[in-house]
Parts: sequence; C-alpha cells; structure tokens
Amino acid sequence: DIQMTQSPSSLSASVGDRVTITCRASQSISSYLNWYQQKPGKAPKLLIYAASSLQSGVPSRFSGSRSGTDFTLSISSLQPEDFATYYCQQSYSTPYTFGQGTKLEIK
Amino acid sequence: QVQLVQSGAEVKKPGASVKVSCKASGYIFTSYDINWVRQATGQGLEWMGWMNPNSGNTGYAQKFQGRVTMTRDTSISTAYMELSSLRSEDTALYYCARPISDGDYAYWGQGTLVTVSS
Repeated sequence: DIQMTQSPSSLSASVGDRVTITCRASQSISSYLNWYQQKPGKAPKLLIYAASSLQSGVPSRFSGSRSGTDFTLSISSLQPEDFATYYCQQSYSTPYTFGQGTKLEIK
Repeated sequence: QVQLVQSGAEVKKPGASVKVSCKASGYIFTSYDINWVRQATGQGLEWMGWMNPNSGNTGYAQKFQGRVTMTRDTSISTAYMELSSLRSEDTALYYCARPISDGDYAYWGQGTLVTVSS
C-alpha cells in the first residue's frame, strides 16, 4: 500500500496568515493527489484534485502543488471558516490511502 | 443536484453484521463508482473499497477482504455496504462517496454511525 505522510499534524495560525500543509507519498503517484477539508460533524469536502485543480466552488485562496512525491496545500490568507482538519489522499492505486490529517487551529 | 443519502445509525453486538445503504439522486447512478470510507471517532479517514454500479464489480481494501460486501440495486439507485463479524474496532462513521472521475470524492453521504457494543 502507498503510505501518505502529512505534516504538520497540527498547526496554529491567525486570520490572514498564509499556511502550508505538506504530504509525501511513499512512492510515485504522478499527480493523483487530492486534498479535503473536514469540519466537526461533517463529511469531508473536496478542495483540490489532481494535485493542483481547484474543485468548483472552492475559494481561490486554496491552491495545490506537486514536486515529485511531495505535495503542498496552501491557503493564501486564512479566513475564520478555514479552521478545520485537512487530509491528503492518493488516488493512484487502490487502496486509496489518506494522510493522517492536519488540524488547523486558531492562534 | 447530486445527493447521497445514507441509512440511519445502527447498534450491533460483536459478531453480528450491519448493512448500510446509500441512495443516490441527481445523476445517472450507473455512471459513477460508489466508494466507502470510514472514520472512527476522533480518527482519520480509512478507505474500504469501491463498487461499479453498472457492472457490479467491486474492489476491497485487504484489511476488509472476506468481511465486506458491496452491492447495489439499480432499480432504486441505491448502493449497500455490508460488514460482517463486527468487533468493537469497527465502531465508526461510515460514508459513501462518489468521485468526479476516480478516487476524487466530490460527493459524500451524511455518514452512518455504526456502534458495536455488547
């Protein structure tokens, strides 16, 4: 199975900050990498698919990038509604494994 | 609009089975796979498997092989996930999800809480 390692596991930031979350795959997954946001009591929400494609309706302050097997989710200017848990997921080969999550908290 | 509506919460005893349903609407049911993902309380997301509603073909995570069965009824646009030989570690919120293309889940059910307790 492909292992997805996310960092950091938690992050404190302020409204207006720029934040970056990284995800490393244990082997090549091309650009088959997706990012989700999950708020308490809610289903995950797809933010970015195929490493850098913005899902319809997602604000443009969210962006994704790839460098080899390293992937990054960036939020350019944090808004109050962005405080949540973020997961990466590879969809290169089954089982479609998720990272362990990054909890983004208000500083 | 695309909607996935799941069945209600279940409480089961260890060793029993549970069958969760996922009713799809707003799109052609047989055109997209349905996947299942679970999440234990306070934990991360765990992929369980996929089902092609058109062919009925399935693929399961090794961890669940032999215990999980994914089926569908195309006449009512509903997918099912049955998990057998339940143990306490199976207590979790179970989600069905539909991808945009493959593995990129743009649409999710509301989740079904399965509690396994004696």
